Amino acid sequence: GAVVSQHPSWVICKSGTSVKIECRSLDFQATTMFWYRQFPKQSLMLMATSNEGSKATYEQGVEKDKFLINHASLTLSTLTVTSAHPEDSSFYICSAAKTSGGLSYEQYFGPGTRLTVT
Amino acid sequence: SQKIEQNSEALNIQEGKTATLTCNYTNYSPAYLQWYRQDPGRGPVFLLLIRENEKEKRKERLKVTFDTTLKQSLFHITASQPADSATYLCALSLDTNAGKSTFGDGTTLTVKP
Repeated sequence: GAVVSQHPSWVICKSGTSVKIECRSLDFQATTMFWYRQFPKQSLMLMATSNEGSKATYEQGVEKDKFLINHASLTLSTLTVTSAHPEDSSFYICSAAKTSGGLSYEQYFGPGTRLTVT
Repeated sequence: SQKIEQNSEALNIQEGKTATLTCNYTNYSPAYLQWYRQDPGRGPVFLLLIRENEKEKRKERLKVTFDTTLKQSLFHITASQPADSATYLCALSLDTNAGKSTFGDGTTLTVKP
């Protein structure tokens, strides 16, 4: 199988605080993980690519100092939303890339984290 | 710029019929394409991957085609069931991107009993 867990599944925090979200690949090693956010009835918006042992690559318009990503091992990536504000409230989803042979990769997604900033 | 279009935001069909979802793209030459299923409030689930040199892939009641000339992929669910109701996303990838994909907006399928 290819199972990815995400913790917490939901979190409520006060404006100005920081929140850490963990993404773990449980039964395979993932050199690359991805972080997305998704607004209601909209598609996935890629925020950043997390590479084990190196700095994350952020998509245009995503503040790297606000969304800190750490990929310290082949099975764990974390996303920290720093100084969260109500506009950061969203559904955050991680995925881990697993090669299906050659240069093709399938993405296995975590169940998502619902962040609400009050 | 790259653009991915999935047919109609919503598709309603009767149980037992074949559902056909479309994914069209422009300004892109993907090396492979994937289809995912997403249920409300959940992360997407991988279904099928097809490479540019493959015309068709099957998995149980699912079938995917990939036409690089038309720049189109079709996703079929045969003998559809109410449990197939979900949002289906197509995603395009390059070999040089180590898994990074561009996702379409999705088509929400409703199968009525």
